[in-house]
Amino acid sequence: AQRVTQPEKLLSVFKGAPVELKCNYSYSGSPELFWYVQYSRQRLQLLLRHISRESIKGFTADLNKGETSFHLKKPFAQEEDSAMYYCALKAGDNFNKFYFGSGTKLNVKP
Amino acid sequence: DADVTQTPRNRITKTGKRIMLECSQTKGHDRMYWYRQDPGLGLRLIYYSFDVKDINKGEISDGYSVSRQAQAKFSLSLESAIPNQTALYFCATAGTGANVLTFGAGSRLTVL
Repeated sequence: AQRVTQPEKLLSVFKGAPVELKCNYSYSGSPELFWYVQYSRQRLQLLLRHISRESIKGFTADLNKGETSFHLKKPFAQEEDSAMYYCALKAGDNFNKFYFGSGTKLNVKP
Repeated sequence: DADVTQTPRNRITKTGKRIMLECSQTKGHDRMYWYRQDPGLGLRLIYYSFDVKDINKGEISDGYSVSRQAQAKFSLSLESAIPNQTALYFCATAGTGANVLTFGAGSRLTVL
């Protein structure tokens, strides 16, 4: 069965510090991984996807198939990065079921 | 205007009552989903639909039912609400073969 694990419920860092939000997955097929973000009083929205190999708002994430991980990183955290972050896996027969982790709340302190 | 609209946004009800949460979208997407968000558990898939004639159970469908009235509308029903169904419910859509989910603003349901 597919599963997404985010081990940290809360991560607090100071502004300017590096941040890494962990995500591990289990899936027997070829995974597609995503990071979604929910800012305060806003909707869940896509932050980035592994297939695009992009950097969004300074965040990057590399899919490591050997370690089955897709950790989200940013070298210098900003206060506006404070939000709830969800790692998601796209899987299923029709490749259109999305499974989410339990989320990590990032708090960036001034 | 929002692409994915959920109604009601907030609802308080009593145990045993029937509740319907509605979702409508203007994105023309064929895939629609209902998720439930609970603190510490993240988002869990309740039901999903790939078109009007296709309804599928997700991880936690017990106690819920859905109706895909049209391509643009996907309703979630709780036939007899119970307190542990108190949660934030999200509707989401995706286009065919798309990788991205578009979420509604959420419907907060409290069952007393």
